Amino acid sequence: DAGVIQSPRHEVTEMGQEVTLRCKPISGHDYLFWYRQTMMRGLELLIYFNNNVPIDDSGMPEDRFSAKMPNASFSTLKIQPSEPRDSAVYFCASRAPGHTITGYTGELFFGEGSRLTVL
Amino acid sequence: AQSVTQPDIHITVSEGASLELRCNYSYGATPYLFWYVQSPGQGLQLLLKYFSGDTLVQGIKGFEAEFKRSQSSFNLRKPSVHWSDAAEYFCAVGRFTGGGNKLTFGTGTQLKVEL
Repeated sequence: DAGVIQSPRHEVTEMGQEVTLRCKPISGHDYLFWYRQTMMRGLELLIYFNNNVPIDDSGMPEDRFSAKMPNASFSTLKIQPSEPRDSAVYFCASRAPGHTITGYTGELFFGEGSRLTVL
Repeated sequence: AQSVTQPDIHITVSEGASLELRCNYSYGATPYLFWYVQSPGQGLQLLLKYFSGDTLVQGIKGFEAEFKRSQSSFNLRKPSVHWSDAAEYFCAVGRFTGGGNKLTFGTGTQLKVEL
């Protein structure tokens, strides 16, 4: 089975440009998460979706960031305009539907990440 | 709010030596606990997880972890480290929120293995 697929793997752009990161979750997974990883702040949850609906976007740093999930197999994270402090590795992760008894499986499957450098 | 502390930023061990990576959590209820490993340039891979039951859990690659509620700890162990274990290790605590979940990660421990 294919894992979580992210693109691009590397992106170098100039300040002020729009950046779009893409994610294809594992088929059948109903939760999708976007994380950001930096040396200073570690792994931060930005937003997550359940059945394509955004559930919690409290981690999105500011209005320059937006995320969409138009269908079960695709999500985007957009930064417009980008700034040097947005430089980080952005991870997408997906999770299978919850257990019928516990309602929770917990295991996230991560993509390989998109390394963003904003000059 | 939930939080995770990994007190060791870097650890160096010799190949064949035993390993213990520390993880302490703060959480108001029974936690869901995880250990993930990240190799350079890669995403995170789940090593093991604890939800309930036996407090000693076995994972992949010969790793195990023990949940100690009295110490709020979930330390990762391996009896004999291999050079390929060099990576960054993250402890995480999960919260069940009405059908969803949010994982909070520690800051990670970078493991170096000396040959």
